[in-house]
Amino acid sequence: DAGVIQSPRHEVTEMGQEVTLRCKPISGHNSLFWYRQTMMRGLELLIYFNNNVPIDDSGMPEDRFSAKMPNASFSTLKIQPSEPRDSAVYFCASSWAGPDTQYFGPGTRLTVL
Amino acid sequence: KQEVTQIPAALSVPEGENLVLNCSFTDSAIYNLQWFRQDPGKGLTSLLLIQSSQREQTSGRLNASLDKSSGRSTLYIAASQPGDSATYLCAAPNTGNQFYFGTGTSLTVIP
Repeated sequence: DAGVIQSPRHEVTEMGQEVTLRCKPISGHNSLFWYRQTMMRGLELLIYFNNNVPIDDSGMPEDRFSAKMPNASFSTLKIQPSEPRDSAVYFCASSWAGPDTQYFGPGTRLTVL
Repeated sequence: KQEVTQIPAALSVPEGENLVLNCSFTDSAIYNLQWFRQDPGKGLTSLLLIQSSQREQTSGRLNASLDKSSGRSTLYIAASQPGDSATYLCAAPNTGNQFYFGTGTSLTVIP
């Protein structure tokens, strides 16, 4: 298995632009998580999907952030409009079920100028 | 809200030494306790998962223990090697699948 796949690996954009991050979970996994990692705040859970349905989005910082999972093999995290404080590494992770062992993707390093 | 603390924030040891990393959490209503490793510029790799009903879990040179009553977990690394150098994070998900991560311990093993 190729593991969790994320794209792009690096994204540099200007403030106000729309950013879309993509994730392909491991085949057969029912749960998908989006995280953000910064030096100041560490690793934070943004949103959690189970069977393609958003279960907990309490970690999404504000309305500028949205996430979708149209099918079991694809998810997106969108930021519109982006701001410099959104600069971070965004990770996607999947698991067989809920709080089971999580498998992380390589992350997307986002820089908003 | 669950708070997860890891001490020390950084640790440097000579090769071959046994070492212990600490993880503490404020809410004992956890589903399990997970330890991860993160190499620079990479994602997290799962090392060990201890179910809430378990006391410890072992994998090779790694042994993790869990004491829910005191809100603590430890990761023991035996006979450390330079390849063990990385940041180690613990996570304490609750029954609502909310994951709370510690800020990690940066480990350097000196050859």
